[in-house]
Amino acid sequence: QVQLVQSGAEVKKPGSSVKVSCKASGGTFSSYTISWVRQAPGQGLEWMGRIIPILGIANYAQKFQGRVTITADKSTSTAYMELSSLRSEDTAVYYCANYDSSGYQAFDIWGQGTMVTVSS
Amino acid sequence: QSALTQPASVSGSPGQSITISCTGTSSDVGSYNLVSWYQQHPGKAPKLMIYEGSKRPSGVSNRFSGSKSGNTASLTISGLQAEDEADYYCCSYAGSSTFEVFGGGTKLTVL
Repeated sequence: QVQLVQSGAEVKKPGSSVKVSCKASGGTFSSYTISWVRQAPGQGLEWMGRIIPILGIANYAQKFQGRVTITADKSTSTAYMELSSLRSEDTAVYYCANYDSSGYQAFDIWGQGTMVTVSS
Repeated sequence: QSALTQPASVSGSPGQSITISCTGTSSDVGSYNLVSWYQQHPGKAPKLMIYEGSKRPSGVSNRFSGSKSGNTASLTISGLQAEDEADYYCCSYAGSSTFEVFGGGTKLTVL
């Protein structure tokens, strides 16, 4: 069974960057498609981007273009999401999610979420 | 403003059925059979309930069903139970430039 385990909570200053990790186990990492989805307090889900490790290709939502970088390390089965130029509006829980782990064309496996707080 | 439109809240009594709508456009919901629905309890990660518009993953109750007509997808929960009280989100593939879009979420209250 595929499992995604994310890094711990972060507190960052405005203008800085944060890098969140998502370690996968129980499957073939190279065949994954890992997306990052965030949820601001009391708000809905927002897709940020994705990476296909076997191809090394990342795609980003237009809103985050130029500010987010998604990478993957196949040697450690870990995906990363780095968000720069942080502002208070980036305070949110950040989830990684795998697409189609079990033949389901959807985000069928989710990480536990990482709280990122941006505050001066 | 979310790309897909959902009602902010719905409610129903135990045993009743409710339907949550998810309205998109011809660029997302209307063009692809890739609408999914997620249940989220407070403080928890989302859980996949419906994929490809109407299919249920293994382990999801058959009280949950999905459908689509034109640019609108729907999630129906029959035989409401207290544990169904949660937030529900729809999501659709939207092509190779936008990729994925979510609805704003619907809070289901079981009265």
